[in-house]
Amino acid sequence: GAVVSQHPSWVICKSGTSVKIECRSLDFQATTMFWYRQFPKQSLMLMATSNEGSKATYEQGVEKDKFLINHASLTLSTLTVTSAHPEDSSFYICSAPRGVDTQYFGPGTRLTVL
Amino acid sequence: AQTVTQSQPEMSVQEAETVTLSCTYDTSESDYYLFWYKQPPSRQMILVIRQEAYKQQNATENRFSVNFQKAAKSFSLKISDSQLGDAAMYFCAYQLTGANSKLTFGKGITLSVRP
Repeated sequence: GAVVSQHPSWVICKSGTSVKIECRSLDFQATTMFWYRQFPKQSLMLMATSNEGSKATYEQGVEKDKFLINHASLTLSTLTVTSAHPEDSSFYICSAPRGVDTQYFGPGTRLTVL
Repeated sequence: AQTVTQSQPEMSVQEAETVTLSCTYDTSESDYYLFWYKQPPSRQMILVIRQEAYKQQNATENRFSVNFQKAAKSFSLKISDSQLGDAAMYFCAYQLTGANSKLTFGKGITLSVRP
């Protein structure tokens, strides 16, 4: 079946540094990918829609200069958390739709900012 | 805007028993999809079941079935013969039809299974 991978699975960084998270669709092409943020015991909050070859679409309240998204190819989208601070610590999940009714989720990335 | 409501934050079920998780949603659209996703402690999102709004027949997947009431905008999940591995967080989700449509999630419910 279709698989979406994320790298890294866990990252610890110092406050003020930038962190890049990769999301790859392994056996299908995805012109669109979605990025979510999830706090413990809470739901997934959509941050942005990543579009191959064009700018990402950000949800209201999400700082686009803080969370840079680049959809470089039909199988890769990256989320860069710039100048990370402890409040950015969270679990980040990507998903990629295949067909009209199925989305495949990555395993998530746990970000801890010290 | 579409909204999905899961009003029960937690539920518990005895192993081998049946449990029903509730979900309501609000939309002005007539064609859409509804989903139940499971998120175990590993936090990997797993699709449990999918329902197409234009289909009147309720979807079933082995021990999992839904009660889809379109007019009432209700979409509950029934888990039969509950197993310890069913313990997880469950999310109800809505998606408009059309390629690359985004999912709208409910707040989720934590299901525990008592041995």
